[in-house]
Amino acid sequence: EIVMTQSPATLSVSPGERATLSCRASQSVSSDLAWYQQKPGQAPRLLIYRASTRATGIPARFTGTGSGTEFTLTISSLQSEDFAVYYCQQYNNWPRTFGQGTKVEIK
Amino acid sequence: EVQLVESGGDLVQPGGSLRLSCAASGLTFSTYSMNWVRQAPGKGLEWVAYMNSMSSIYYADSVKGRFTISRDNAKNSVYLQMTSLRGEDTAVYYCASSFGHLDNWGQGTLVTVSS
Repeated sequence: EIVMTQSPATLSVSPGERATLSCRASQSVSSDLAWYQQKPGQAPRLLIYRASTRATGIPARFTGTGSGTEFTLTISSLQSEDFAVYYCQQYNNWPRTFGQGTKVEIK
Repeated sequence: EVQLVESGGDLVQPGGSLRLSCAASGLTFSTYSMNWVRQAPGKGLEWVAYMNSMSSIYYADSVKGRFTISRDNAKNSVYLQMTSLRGEDTAVYYCASSFGHLDNWGQGTLVTVSS
């Protein structure tokens, strides 16, 4: 099983600042990596797939980079609606696995 | 607009069974792979099961032998039959369509396993 490790667990950021979230895979997943956003009481929402492709309707302030084992999600200028939990997920191997999540909170 | 609507969640005793349903609309269901993903209270996401249009199936080790995924393309629906339920199966269960990544999600249905 591929273990996905996200860091940090919690990120405290002021509105308008940049947030950088990391995701590491225990073995290469090529570019088969997605990022999801989840707000309290809501289902997750797809943000990024194939490591760097924004899903439909996702603002350009969300950028995904990386390949192999190291991935990054950058939110260039945090808006109030961006405070949420973010998960990475690999879909290169079975079983599919998620990271434990990074909570982005208001500083 | 794609809509996935789960149903069937309930309170069930340990050792019991439950069948979840997910009704899809706004997509050509027969061509989509479908998944179940769960989230225990206050915890992260855990992928549970997958079934593609050719009936290839995969399960998480934690549910293998106890859960069965199936689909009915005529009804645009996917199902999760859960047996031998345990306390650690307590979670919100989401269905999600996928082309690798999970692109559309339902709102989830709550399964509580408790005596």
